Amino acid sequence: DGGITQSPKYLFRKEGQNVTLSCEQNLNHDAMYWYRQDPGQGLRLIYYSQIVNDFQKGDIAEGYSVSREKKESFPLTVTSAQKNPTAFYLCASALAGVYQETQYFGPGTRLLVL
Amino acid sequence: DAKTTQPPSMDCAEGRAANLPCNHSTISGNEYVYWYRQIHSQGPQYIIHGLKNNETNEMASLIITEDRKSSTLILPHATLRDTAVYYCIAVNAGNMLTFGGGTRLMVKP
Repeated sequence: DGGITQSPKYLFRKEGQNVTLSCEQNLNHDAMYWYRQDPGQGLRLIYYSQIVNDFQKGDIAEGYSVSREKKESFPLTVTSAQKNPTAFYLCASALAGVYQETQYFGPGTRLLVL
Repeated sequence: DAKTTQPPSMDCAEGRAANLPCNHSTISGNEYVYWYRQIHSQGPQYIIHGLKNNETNEMASLIITEDRKSSTLILPHATLRDTAVYYCIAVNAGNMLTFGGGTRLMVKP
């Protein structure tokens, strides 16, 4: 099946620990994105990458880090510097990062801090 | 990106058409109108998009006013599975999505 996968579906973290969320796509898309969603709110952009080995900060990048070593993978690390990490995290990809290319979303990972 | 305004919630009877409005009075000439929906605890699902002309696909129709200041998403025969939050987004050439609060559509039997 072609699509975007995120794992795990639920993730628990102790305070002070870093945790990495996985996002993989086999759509041959150049652009990938990470969003955060809090209860009852819309999505907010954390980081995005338009090509391999390049990425840009979004609106709420503080406390997060990413890498884009492979076209199909865009992992997000939630660091201990993120003060309020409990949220629903969504990954998306698009054919290209410029022009109006439709973004397609994965199923999301729900992160809970214990 | 242009800011969009949507009603926070709407109800629709099952089998009837659901008409979801969106205002985007500050939209610029190169911004597309995109619609996504999000069923509880799932990733957003792309529905449809358009620039000037009305668009239709297997999921919905999109009606954009001639001045492009507003649009309406039409689900022609709503089912219970269409209950979701619907987001209207104006997208520029940088392809950034700015999500507002959306419209929570409740389809009732």
